Parts: sequence; C-alpha cells; structure tokens
Amino acid sequence: KAGVTQTPRYLIKTRGQQVTLSCSPISGHRSVSWYQQTPGQGLQFLFEYFSETQRNKGNFPGRFSGRQFSNSRSEMNVSTLELGDSALYLCASSLAGSRLYGYTFGSGTRLTVV
Amino acid sequence: DAKTTQPNSMESNEEEPVHLPCNHSTISGTDYIHWYRQLPSQGPEYVIHGLTSNVNNRMASLAIAEDRKSSTLILHRATLRDAAVYYCILSGDQTGANNLFFGTGTRLTVIP
Repeated sequence: KAGVTQTPRYLIKTRGQQVTLSCSPISGHRSVSWYQQTPGQGLQFLFEYFSETQRNKGNFPGRFSGRQFSNSRSEMNVSTLELGDSALYLCASSLAGSRLYGYTFGSGTRLTVV
Repeated sequence: DAKTTQPNSMESNEEEPVHLPCNHSTISGTDYIHWYRQLPSQGPEYVIHGLTSNVNNRMASLAIAEDRKSSTLILHRATLRDAAVYYCILSGDQTGANNLFFGTGTRLTVIP
C-alpha cells in the first residue's frame, strides 16, 4: 500500500513569507502528526490531528498552524518565516493516533529560509 | 513522558549481531518501549515495541529487563542498510497525548 506522502520535497522561501506543506496519510489512517527536525534540536513534536480536530500541540509559536481535511489529508502552515524555521518537516500517520499502534513517517519536506 | 538514555554512537561489523542499549529508569507501569530508526535522508521508521515480554519481528528483537528499567534492541546480523540513528522512546496509551518524544538516539555505524 502507498506510504505517507509529503509535498513538496524541497522548498526555498524568503524570510517573512509564509509556507504551506502537505501530507497525505496512509489510507485508513485518521491520525496525522507533524514534527520538526533540526540539527540543534533534533525531532520535536508540532501537533497532531485526529478526525479533523487538533488533539495535541507541542511548544511552538502560533506562527505554526495546521489543519486536517475530511479525507485525513493534512496541511501545516508557517507564517512570517524566520531563518530558524529552516528544517526538515516530517509528517507521521497512525491508524488511531494511539502510540500503541506505531507511526509511519513520510520522507519529509526540507524547508530552507533565506 | 519518561526519559531514555542511549549511547551517542556505536559501531558494528557487517553480518555480526548488534546490541543497542537503552536505559529508562523512570518508566511507569503503562509505558510501552518503542524503537524507531532513521536512515539518512529519510523519516523515522518503526522498528519494534513491547511492554514487558521480549518481542521479535522480522527486523529485530527487543529484550526488556525484568524490572523494565532498561531494554536492548538486537539486530541479529547487521547489514550496511542498518546504518542509521536508533531512537528508544517510551509512551503510554493516553488519549490526547499521542506524540513521540525523540531523544538524541544512537548513531549506528556498520563497518564492511
């Protein structure tokens, strides 16, 4: 079956702009989580959506937001980009969101802010 | 979430077994032990998870200490493809708190 698909794979944006990243989970998976990975901070949790509702949120500023559609596809948005937002953004899908079921990650979107 | 401690790096020769340790002395009774790995230029990949008993799957084995304060991920025959960062993560079955807390992990180097 198809895995988790993230688009685009690479993105270059200018400081101050906004960006939208997309994630298509595995068919049947209703939970989608987003993570940011940087060399300095490692993998950090951004937020999780389940059935179109944000169920959990990490410690990131309000410039980071997300949403989930009725088909479980999810988008995350970062407004007013800063140089420090340069990172690999990873999406993970899960059958029901419980950590007991395990998560399948996409290959990520590499965002570079210049 | 309870914290885990792993060595920063380990080396193994190809086709030899690898034992990756993880200490989790503050684990609670409901915490599961998960292992994920991240190959270069890819997202993390689920490896295995367990609660109390040792677990085996096609990728690896998980040995859990009797007091559950430590565990070991065992790769039976390391291949070059197993070179990755391995993360040991604790998680409980709590609704509303489904995120994974990744530590720094262990970088495994496989020597041909």
